[in-house]
Amino acid sequence: AQTVTQSQPEMSVQEAETVTLSCTYDTSESDYYLFWYKQPPSRQMILVIRQEAYKQQNATENRFSVNFQKAAKSFSLKISDSQLGDAAMYFCAYRSSGGYQKVTFGTGTKLQVIP
Amino acid sequence: GAVVSQHPSWVICKSGTSVKIECRSLDFQATTMFWYRQFPKQSLMLMATSNEGSKATYEQGVEKDKFLINHASLTLSTLTVTSAHPEDSSFYICSAVVEPGLSNQPQHFGDGTRLSIL
Repeated sequence: AQTVTQSQPEMSVQEAETVTLSCTYDTSESDYYLFWYKQPPSRQMILVIRQEAYKQQNATENRFSVNFQKAAKSFSLKISDSQLGDAAMYFCAYRSSGGYQKVTFGTGTKLQVIP
Repeated sequence: GAVVSQHPSWVICKSGTSVKIECRSLDFQATTMFWYRQFPKQSLMLMATSNEGSKATYEQGVEKDKFLINHASLTLSTLTVTSAHPEDSSFYICSAVVEPGLSNQPQHFGDGTRLSIL
C-alpha cells in the first residue's frame, strides 16, 4: 500500500517570501500521479498543482511549483511571493495510474502567512 | 467547470436519527464519486467509492450498514448516516471525477458537511 508523509505539521512564512512544504511517499509503482491540495478555513479542498510521475519536468502553476524527485520519492511544494490568502492546510496526495484508483492523502501541513 | 455541490453544509441532530448528505456534480456527469471523513486537524480518510448504478465499495473498517451510499444517477450520490451517535460527528466531504477512466484527472471536491450529533 502507498503511504504519504508530510513531516511538517505547521509552517509559517512572511508575506511576499517563499516557503517550501515537504512531502515524501512510498510506492513500488513506476507510474502514478501526485497532487497538492489546499484546504482553507472554509474547508473546501482546492487543487493547487499536480504532477505525472512519468514527466521529468517539474509542474508549475503561477506562484506554485513543485520539486519532484522520483528516485528519492519526494514531492515538495514551493510557494513564491506568499500571500495572506495562501494560509491554509496543504495536503499532499498520491494516486496510482492505470484506471481510476483511490487517492491517498498525507496528514497535512498548516501554513500560516505572517503579514 | 467541474463543480461539485454538497448539501447540507452543516447539520445538527439528536442521537439516534438518520442523516442524509447529498453530493451533486453540477456541470458534468460523475460515474464515480468518493466519500471522505475528516476529523479535526486530521487528513481525509476515504470511506467508500460510489459507483453509479452499482453497489459502493467500502474501505476496510467502514460499516456498510452504518453509512449507506446510493448513487442512483450520474449527478447524485447520497450518504446516509443511520442511527447517528455522537462518535459519528465529523466533517464529511465528497468528491467526483469527470472521467474516472482517465487516471490523470484530479478529484473535484464538494464544500463538505459538518455533522454534529447531540
